[in-house]
Amino acid sequence: NAGVTQTPKFRILKIGQSMTLQCAQDMNHNYMYWYRQDPGMGLKLIYYSVGAGITDKGEVPNGYNVSRSTTEDFPLRLELAAPSQTSVYFCASSYSLDEYSPLHFGNGTRLTVT
Amino acid sequence: GENVEQHPSTLSVQEGDSAVIKCTYSDSASNYFPWYKQELGKGPQLIIDIRSNVGEKKDQRIAVTLNKTAKHFSLHITETQPEDSAVYFCAASLRNFGNEKLTFGTGTRLTIIP
Repeated sequence: NAGVTQTPKFRILKIGQSMTLQCAQDMNHNYMYWYRQDPGMGLKLIYYSVGAGITDKGEVPNGYNVSRSTTEDFPLRLELAAPSQTSVYFCASSYSLDEYSPLHFGNGTRLTVT
Repeated sequence: GENVEQHPSTLSVQEGDSAVIKCTYSDSASNYFPWYKQELGKGPQLIIDIRSNVGEKKDQRIAVTLNKTAKHFSLHITETQPEDSAVYFCAASLRNFGNEKLTFGTGTRLTIIP
């Protein structure tokens, strides 16, 4: 199993540009998450999904959109990139939403908005 | 909401010595406390966890302790090795909620000096 795969690994955007961060998992997990990691700030939940067609906001959803058309894929969309969105983005999945179900993370996408 | 504070932000120890990372949480309703290890260029990975009905848990060189009264929990790594160098995150989860309410600490960068 590849686990959770994120693409691209790095990206530089200009202010106002749009992009989609890709995330795919092959563990047949129903639950998927997007986090951002900023220096000294830990991990903040952006959006999560409990299954295909169902998504919900996390702690910091503004400026982002998600969709979940299949169990495997959970892309994160930035419509109008802003410098405040410069961060490292992690996608994760879990077997259940239960807090005892560990999160499996991808290796991240480092995004810089200039 | 829950607030998790983590100290220190950086920690350097000689190989073979012990390392201790401490976290405090604010919400007494939190009942699950995982620890994640993030190696350079990778996503976080669960290394140990503890539930609120347990005071201590060990797994080889790693142990976690929980003091519910004081609302703090700690990660202990004994006989440190170079491969222990990483960023460590503590987290807390509220009772009756799942991963969508998992709150992470701000991380500790542990460096093992050969």
